[in-house]
Amino acid sequence: SQQGEEDPQALSIQEGENATMNCSYKTSINNLQWYRQNSGRGLVHLILIRSNEREKHSGRLRVTLDTSKKSSSLLITASRAADTASYFCAIPLTGGGNKLTFGTGTQLKVEL
Amino acid sequence: DAMVIQNPRYQVTQFGKPVTLSCSQTLNHNVMYWYQQKSSQAPKLLFHYYDKDFNNEADTPDNFQSRRPNTSFCFLDIRSPGLGDAAMYLCATSRGVWGTSTDTQYFGPGTRLTVL
Repeated sequence: SQQGEEDPQALSIQEGENATMNCSYKTSINNLQWYRQNSGRGLVHLILIRSNEREKHSGRLRVTLDTSKKSSSLLITASRAADTASYFCAIPLTGGGNKLTFGTGTQLKVEL
Repeated sequence: DAMVIQNPRYQVTQFGKPVTLSCSQTLNHNVMYWYQQKSSQAPKLLFHYYDKDFNNEADTPDNFQSRRPNTSFCFLDIRSPGLGDAAMYLCATSRGVWGTSTDTQYFGPGTRLTVL
């Protein structure tokens, strides 16, 4: 399966702490995306990192990509209660053109 | 605001009674996708349209059909819903720039289907 595996499955932290979630995959990719899903809602694109990039930032988000280890991490710094959501990595399907396969997801809960 | 709209947000149907979910977009994107997402799982792609070209996933049950009458609208038809089809159904779009795999997908809020 090309699906990414994420860990941890669930993460609970206090507001102000950093949250790190990891995604591992099996195939060669040319990019990896991260999405957020608030409870009962659709997914929202957060960031895309290309295979020739090792790190990318967007606001409080920091994404790394290690193609040799076939892994990526998403770091949320100074977390807020509003960051409570599920986070999914997504990789392009081999030969799939515009199709993505989503990872298993990490459920993040940020408590006040 | 350009967006992806799904109707209805909540749909209740009876076992075996056909149901249609709708999706519309104002983004003028070439590609439209339908995903099924069950509780605490990743979204699973059912099929997608690249413009008018329909692409079915190999493991999508025949019970699921789709129509895209124009660029803006796409429908998901479930011919005979079973209890196992209860899920969130997500519609998404992407620009569909040919020859690239870096498309970002834009999701609607989803339709939660309950089968009684």
